[in-house]
Amino acid sequence: AQSVSQHNHHVILSEAASLELGCNYSYGGTVNLFWYVQYPGQHLQLLLKYFSGDPLVKGIKGFEAEFIKSKFSFNLRKPSVQWSDTAEYFCAVNAYSSASKIIFGSGTRLSIRP
Amino acid sequence: DVKVTQSSRYLVKRTGEKVFLECVQDMDHENMFWYRQDPGLGLRLIYFSYDVKMKEKGDIPEGYSVSREKKERFSLILESASTNQTSMYLCASSLGGGQRGEQYFGPGTRLTVT
Repeated sequence: AQSVSQHNHHVILSEAASLELGCNYSYGGTVNLFWYVQYPGQHLQLLLKYFSGDPLVKGIKGFEAEFIKSKFSFNLRKPSVQWSDTAEYFCAVNAYSSASKIIFGSGTRLSIRP
Repeated sequence: DVKVTQSSRYLVKRTGEKVFLECVQDMDHENMFWYRQDPGLGLRLIYFSYDVKMKEKGDIPEGYSVSREKKERFSLILESASTNQTSMYLCASSLGGGQRGEQYFGPGTRLTVT
């Protein structure tokens, strides 16, 4: 069965620190990849997406992610976090064989100390 | 902007009651989804629909049913609510085709079953 693993359940950083959140998936075919973010009290929204082309994708608010096909990974990065980045982050994968369904990881809660 | 609305933000029901959660999207999306979100488990798919009157089971359909009589509306029904169905319920919609997997979420309904 397809699955998505997020290695960190809770990450605590100070402002201006660099961020990397890990995401690995288990599916050998063609995939679309996503990071979603849920800020406190807000609904889930798309942070960035990969469909094809350049494996380094940029999203909103200075986030980026790199698709490494050989490692089945799609890690999220930001060079310098801000207090407003405090949120829960979900990695998600759509396998082409699954039509429009996506599988979510269990989420990583990010807390930023001011 | 795509807008997905859900009928209630908070709902408290008693064990055994029949519960209806309504979701409406305004962008003519073919696909609609119901998830439940629980801490540490991420989002789990309950049911989804590719078209009017069409539905397919997700990963955790037991105890739930759905209805899609109009393209813009997708209802989740708890036939006989139980305490283990206390959760946050999220509705989402998406296009198909090459943008598959990119989903737009509603604000969620926090359901408490007592």
